[in-house]
Amino acid sequence: EDQVTQSPEALRLQEGESSSLNCSYTVSGLRGLFWYRQDPGKGPEFLFTLYSAGEEKEKERLKATLTKKESFLHITAPKPEDSATYLCAVRAFYGAGSYQLTFGKGTKLSVIP
Amino acid sequence: GAVVSQHPSWVICKSGTSVKIECRSLDFQATTMFWYRQFPKQSLMLMATSNEGSKATYEQGVEKDKFLINHASLTLSTLTVTSAHPEDSSFYICSAQSGGNQPQHFGDGTRLSIL
Repeated sequence: EDQVTQSPEALRLQEGESSSLNCSYTVSGLRGLFWYRQDPGKGPEFLFTLYSAGEEKEKERLKATLTKKESFLHITAPKPEDSATYLCAVRAFYGAGSYQLTFGKGTKLSVIP
Repeated sequence: GAVVSQHPSWVICKSGTSVKIECRSLDFQATTMFWYRQFPKQSLMLMATSNEGSKATYEQGVEKDKFLINHASLTLSTLTVTSAHPEDSSFYICSAQSGGNQPQHFGDGTRLSIL
């Protein structure tokens, strides 16, 4: 069974204080690891896709990295507007041409001015 | 690009009512659409996967007669919660995907409250 575990559950940072979020996964036949941002009462907003160990993607203050067992979302010098819940999901093949995402519970990030 | 619109964003109705939720991909054609349910502080739980023009595939434990899914075109899928009861109250989110290797793009969800 595919599993995704995110840590920590919640993280409070001072503005400018860099940190990392962790996503550990077990999956048969990884077809991509995805990071999303979700604001309260909204749907997830796509951030990154990573496909293979060693791959890195960057967007503004965010950088995502991938190993064979986990992914990290590094946040450099965060601002209050980076406050949100960050979701990690893995995609695997389920047969009959079907790919599904399995989500972690997310890390709720709060950046304090 | 890759905008998904979900409507309505919020519904309150009486027990026994049927509720229809629409999910539209505005600027791309979605070969596959997904319906999720999310409880507070929990991860998104996949309910069903639908491909345009074919029957939806439901996850284990999801009643297909209660949650009717129609994917009539490459830009529209609907979820109808039939004879809704208070335990059906939740946050329902749809997503759309233009191809197998593409990311899913999500709507802003529908908050359903059954009294």
